[in-house]
Amino acid sequence: LAKTTQPISMDSYEGQEVNITCSHNNIATNDYITWYQQFPSQGPRFIIQGYKTKVTNEVASLFIPADRKSSTLSLPRVSLSDTAVYYCLVGAGGSQGNLIFGKGTKLSVKP
Amino acid sequence: DAGVTQSPTHLIKTRGQQVTLRCSPKSGHDTVSWYQQALGQGPQFIFQYYEEEERQRGNFPDRFSGHQFPNYSSELNVNALLLGDSALYLCASSSRGQGAYNEQFFGPGTRLTVL
Repeated sequence: LAKTTQPISMDSYEGQEVNITCSHNNIATNDYITWYQQFPSQGPRFIIQGYKTKVTNEVASLFIPADRKSSTLSLPRVSLSDTAVYYCLVGAGGSQGNLIFGKGTKLSVKP
Repeated sequence: DAGVTQSPTHLIKTRGQQVTLRCSPKSGHDTVSWYQQALGQGPQFIFQYYEEEERQRGNFPDRFSGHQFPNYSSELNVNALLLGDSALYLCASSSRGQGAYNEQFFGPGTRLTVL
């Protein structure tokens, strides 16, 4: 499974757009890119997933360049409640297979 | 829909003891995975159950075992507890053949403290 690298922490202010970039140089052809969000003392929550180009849902956007060696999670107009750890995962997983989490990016949103 | 539920919420044990954690998957899900999350780390995959059998296993010793029941609920058992087993234990459920790749629904976890 491809290894991912993402910043350990990021700070932002309410109302700003936040972009978290994840590097995955060894991504395989059949790998998907998935992002999870985790609040303290809670289980991770699926945010968004993509294979290439751009994916958007009601929560976030995911930008994936043509070489797929990196991806960027974009959170529009963050609020205090977006303070959490964000994990980038890469893998096919065989559909609901084991998920490989790194240490994630701790996002702190300030008023 | 109750989502994924886990019990107990918190548990304190001493070294050498045994513990059993329980998980009920989200309605309609048939696959249960267990993860261990140490403080400040990402969750680490323990194993996955489907059709009452262990299908995948992570890098955990045999002290960690599990079971899945006909109603898809699951148990995680840990024998001969070590101090290093102190962690948040997460259960995740999914449905084979449905949903996006790598989309699992997590429960709130059980916080295990080993003294």
